[in-house]
Amino acid sequence: DTEVTQTPKHLVMGMTNKKSLKCEQHMGHRAMYWYKQKAKKPPELMFVYSYEKLSINESVPSRFSPECPNSSLLNLHLHALQPEDSALYLCASSRGRDRDEQYFGPGTRLTVT
Amino acid sequence: DQQVKQNSPSLSVQEGRISILNCDYTNSMFDYFLWYKKYPAEGPTFLISISSIKDKNEDGRFTVFLNKSAKHLSLHIVPSQPGDSAVYFCAASVGAQKLVFGQGTRLTINP
Repeated sequence: DTEVTQTPKHLVMGMTNKKSLKCEQHMGHRAMYWYKQKAKKPPELMFVYSYEKLSINESVPSRFSPECPNSSLLNLHLHALQPEDSALYLCASSRGRDRDEQYFGPGTRLTVT
Repeated sequence: DQQVKQNSPSLSVQEGRISILNCDYTNSMFDYFLWYKKYPAEGPTFLISISSIKDKNEDGRFTVFLNKSAKHLSLHIVPSQPGDSAVYFCAASVGAQKLVFGQGTRLTINP
C-alpha cells in the first residue's frame, strides 16, 4: 500500500475563515511533508515533520500552521488566508531515511475568496 | 535562483519510440535525484531515482542517466505508450527530505 490520502479534495474559504487540511498514511513512514503547487509551477516545500517533530519550515507565513498528532497523520491549519494562497496543497510521506523517495497524496485544491 | 531546470516545457513523441526528458541542475551538493509523473488533478507519482554514486538506474521501460560533470540527468522511456502522456518533474535533494523540483515537461505520446 503506497497510498497517501488527503481530505478534503476541494475547499473554498473566505479570508476570515479557519479551516484544516488533513493527510493520512499507513505505510509506517516517519517523515511527512506539506507542499504548495501553483498552476503551471512545480511543487514547493512548506514543512517537513520527521519522527513527529517539525524539522523544516521554509519561512512559511504564520497563517499556515502545521500539526503532526501522530506518525500517520498530518494537518495543516489555515487562518486569515489571502487570495494568493489559492493553490493545490500536496501532502507527501517517506521512510525518513537519507535518499528516500517521497509518496504524494492527490492534493487539496484550495480557493480563497 | 532556479537550482533544477527542465528547459523543454513540452515534448511530443510517437507511440513505440523513445522519449528522452532532460534536466539540469546547478547545486553540486545535490546527491539524490528523482523523476515524478503527474496527471491532472492528481499528486505526483514516483517513477525512478538515482544516487549520485551511480550514473545509471533502470526500472522496466524507464532508465535514468546521471552525468555529474555536466550536472545533467535524463529520463529515457522506451517504448513510449499513450499512458505515458503526463507532466514529468525531475527533483533533486541533498540527503533526502528537501526536494527541489524542476518546472516540469509535458510529454504527449501520439498514436
